[in-house]
Amino acid sequence: QVQLVQSGAEVKKPGASVKVSCKASGYTFTGYYMHWVRQAPGQGLEWMGWINPNSGDTKYAQKFRGRVTMTRDTSISTVYMELSRLTSEDTAVYYCAKSVLPDLAAAGLDYWGQGTLVTVSS
Amino acid sequence: QSALTQPASVSGSPGQSITISCTGTNSDVGAYNYVSWYQQHPGKAPKLMIYDVSDRPSGVSNRFSGSKSGSTASLTISGLQAEDEADYYCSSYTTSTTPWVFGGGTKLTVL
Repeated sequence: QVQLVQSGAEVKKPGASVKVSCKASGYTFTGYYMHWVRQAPGQGLEWMGWINPNSGDTKYAQKFRGRVTMTRDTSISTVYMELSRLTSEDTAVYYCAKSVLPDLAAAGLDYWGQGTLVTVSS
Repeated sequence: QSALTQPASVSGSPGQSITISCTGTNSDVGAYNYVSWYQQHPGKAPKLMIYDVSDRPSGVSNRFSGSKSGSTASLTISGLQAEDEADYYCSSYTTSTTPWVFGGGTKLTVL
């Protein structure tokens, strides 16, 4: 069965960076795009970007360009999302989510990680 | 401000049907058939209900259906059940430099 298991909760100080991991299993890791989506407390979903685990190519939301980096390690079927220069507005639950169709980033997201709470506080 | 516009809330009684709208532009909903819908219960990860405007993933009840007309997509839930009470989000691929956007979300209350 498909599983996306994310790393645990983080507490960071303003200005720091955070790196969240997402380990995939139960499907061909390199065959499906992986997206990152965040949700601030009591707020809606916000798309951050995607990575093609096969090529390593990435696409980021304009809002996060220059501050976010998505990478992957195919040997352990894991993707990473690193966000730098954190502020209190980055306090949110961060999700990885897998594309529903192979080799296509634009379709829906059918499996989601359990979420990683990142708290930014001085 | 979200790129896709959804009503903040909708409600219905058990057994009834409701429709949630998702209004975009000819740069997103109107440009592609890459509209998807997600259900989210409190404290849980979102769940994919519809993708590619009207396709249902395996395991999703056929009470959920999707459609699109111009730049507005819709999610219809028929035979409303108590467990359908949740937040619902639409999303779309877009032509902009940010190629994926979500709606602001709709809270569904089952009366």
